[in-house]
Amino acid sequence: DAGVIQSPRHEVTEMGQEVTLRCKPISGHDYLFWYRQTMMRGLELLIYFNNNVPIDDSGMPEDRFSAKMPNASFSTLKIQPSEPRDSAVYFCASSWVDSAGTSGSNTDTQYFGPGTRLTVL
Amino acid sequence: GEDVEQSLFLSVREGDSSVINCTYTDSSSTYLYWYKQEPGAGLQLLTYIFSNMDMKQDQRLTVLLNKKDKHLSLRIADTQTGDSAIYFCAEATDKLIFGTGTRLQVFP
Repeated sequence: DAGVIQSPRHEVTEMGQEVTLRCKPISGHDYLFWYRQTMMRGLELLIYFNNNVPIDDSGMPEDRFSAKMPNASFSTLKIQPSEPRDSAVYFCASSWVDSAGTSGSNTDTQYFGPGTRLTVL
Repeated sequence: GEDVEQSLFLSVREGDSSVINCTYTDSSSTYLYWYKQEPGAGLQLLTYIFSNMDMKQDQRLTVLLNKKDKHLSLRIADTQTGDSAIYFCAEATDKLIFGTGTRLQVFP
């Protein structure tokens, strides 16, 4: 498996523009997580999905942020309009289903993508 | 509240052992994890320990858990320059709570 795939790897945009980050989780994983990493705040959980349904979005900073998961193999995180303080590395992670076929939990081993480094000027 | 704390930096000589420490607050944590992040990359799971264990060894890695003190440590034996990275501990409650990360620098 190729692991969790994120695109783009780097994004530079101007304040006020819409930004869309993309994630493809590992096939068969039923949880998907979006994190944000900054020097000041460390690693923050923004939102997570189970079986494509958003479960906890309490970490989403404000209404400018939205996330969707239209199917099991794709998720987006959108920022509209973007602001300089949104500059960060955004990670997507997914967690696995064990060999017994039991659904994973949101605290099972998470596999991270390489991240998208977002710079808002 | 939920809080996971780590020291920010650790510098060791190649070949020595490294010990990275972590304290957490939630005694109901089921698992505790160690992740490694290399420059420009995502977090990579190194190892984990179940909360009813006090030690786990995996090749050069030894994890010690002191539940009474809510203290977790990661020992890396024979530290190599390739071990230079940021190490995160994380506690699993209803979600994963990550520490601030410890930057390990290995010098020759």
